[in-house]
Amino acid sequence: AQKVTQAQTEISVVEKEDVTLDCVYETRDTTYYLFWYKQPPSGELVFLIRRNSFDEQNEISGRYSWNFQKSTSSFNFTITASQVVDSAVYFCALSDSNDMRFGAGTRLTVKP
Amino acid sequence: DTGVSQDPRHKITKRGQNVTFRCDPISEHNRLYWYRQTLGQGPEFLTYFQNEAQLEKSRLLSDRFSAERPKGSFSTLEIQRTEQGDSAMYLCASSLEYGALENFGPGTRLTVT
Repeated sequence: AQKVTQAQTEISVVEKEDVTLDCVYETRDTTYYLFWYKQPPSGELVFLIRRNSFDEQNEISGRYSWNFQKSTSSFNFTITASQVVDSAVYFCALSDSNDMRFGAGTRLTVKP
Repeated sequence: DTGVSQDPRHKITKRGQNVTFRCDPISEHNRLYWYRQTLGQGPEFLTYFQNEAQLEKSRLLSDRFSAERPKGSFSTLEIQRTEQGDSAMYLCASSLEYGALENFGPGTRLTVT
């Protein structure tokens, strides 16, 4: 069965703190893609990253970094030195031969 | 080209009315997807087109829902006899590669009163 679990429903941090958003997935396919999206209050889904199942290299983009570990079926997202503008709902998603499934999202609030 | 566009951005309708939404994908993208997102949830897959062919439909897409992509460009999603449970954000995405959903539209927010 295909499944994406974001166990953290809400996270609140103070500006400049680091924060990690967890994502655990299930799939029977060996070829799949993992995604992270940001959804600010305006509602639009903003693509952050796509990672294919054969590429376990961690990625860093500015203050954002992603840790993909197939051994634990996890694709975690870390924001370093968080800012108020990072406040949003963040979704992890899995795309395999069936369809694309999203997690329930983690609401991140960054307080000044 | 400025990305995926959707029209209208907001729609308020009374229960029992029909509504139609439009999605214009990025011009060279042959794949188009519809998703629905209810409050507090992640987007849920509704249907997928490759060119004009509708290749996948979710069980969420009841008989009251129909989607078309007549010329393999823009797509429409129609909901007949709307119900309050249809209130949601309807999202469209397009891509060149299957599952490479990097381009979502701004969504159409439907409110059924």
